[in-house]
Amino acid sequence: DIQMTQSPSSLSASVGDRVTITCRASQSISTYLNWYQQKPGKDPKVLIYTTSSLQSGVPSRFSASGSGTDFTLTISGLQPEDFATYYCQQSYTTPPTFGQGTKVEIK
Amino acid sequence: QVQLQESGPGLVKPSETLSLTCSVSGGSIGAYYWSWVRQPPGKGLEWIGYIYYTGSTRYNPSLKSRVTMSVDTTKNQFSLNLNSVTAADTAVYYCSRGKSGSMYNFDSWGLGTLVTVSS
Repeated sequence: DIQMTQSPSSLSASVGDRVTITCRASQSISTYLNWYQQKPGKDPKVLIYTTSSLQSGVPSRFSASGSGTDFTLTISGLQPEDFATYYCQQSYTTPPTFGQGTKVEIK
Repeated sequence: QVQLQESGPGLVKPSETLSLTCSVSGGSIGAYYWSWVRQPPGKGLEWIGYIYYTGSTRYNPSLKSRVTMSVDTTKNQFSLNLNSVTAADTAVYYCSRGKSGSMYNFDSWGLGTLVTVSS
C-alpha cells in the first residue's frame, strides 16, 4: 500500500492566517491526490481533486499543488468555518489510502 | 444533489457479521463506483472496498477475506457485510460515491453510522 504522511499533525492558527499543510506519498502518485475537510461528527467533504482542481462550491482561498510524492494544501486567509481536520488521499492505485490528518485549531 | 444514507445495527457481537446498507437518493446508482470507508473513533480513514452498479467489486486486501458487497439497482441501494468482527472493527462506517471517471475521487458521502463491536 502507498503510505501517505501529513505534516504537521496539528496546528494552531488565527483567523486571517495563511496555513500550509503538506502531504508526502511513499512512492510517486503523479497528480492523483485529493484533499478532504472533516468537521467533528461530520462526514468528509472533498475540497480538491487531482492535486489542484477545486471542487464546485469550495472557496477560492483553498489551493493546492504538487506532483510525484510531495503535495501542499494552502488556506489563504483562514476563516472561522475552516477549523477542521484535513486529510490527503491518493487515488493513484488500489487501495486508495489517506493521510493521518492535520487538525487546524484556533489559536 | 445525490444523498447517501447508511443504515444497520449499531451494535454487533464479536465473531458475528456486520451488515450495513446504503440508500442512494436524488440520483441513479448506475455508472458510479460505490465505496465503503470507515473511521475508528479518533482515528483516520480506511477504504474498505467498492462495488460498481454492474456488481463488480474490489476490496482492500487487508479486509478482503472478510468483506462482501452487493448492489440492488431496483432499490438504489448497496450493502456491506463484514464477517468475524472484533473490537478493532468498531468505527463509523461511511458510504461514498466515486466521482464519474475516477472511482477513488469520493465526491459524495453519507453521514456515517457508528458500529460498535462488543458482547
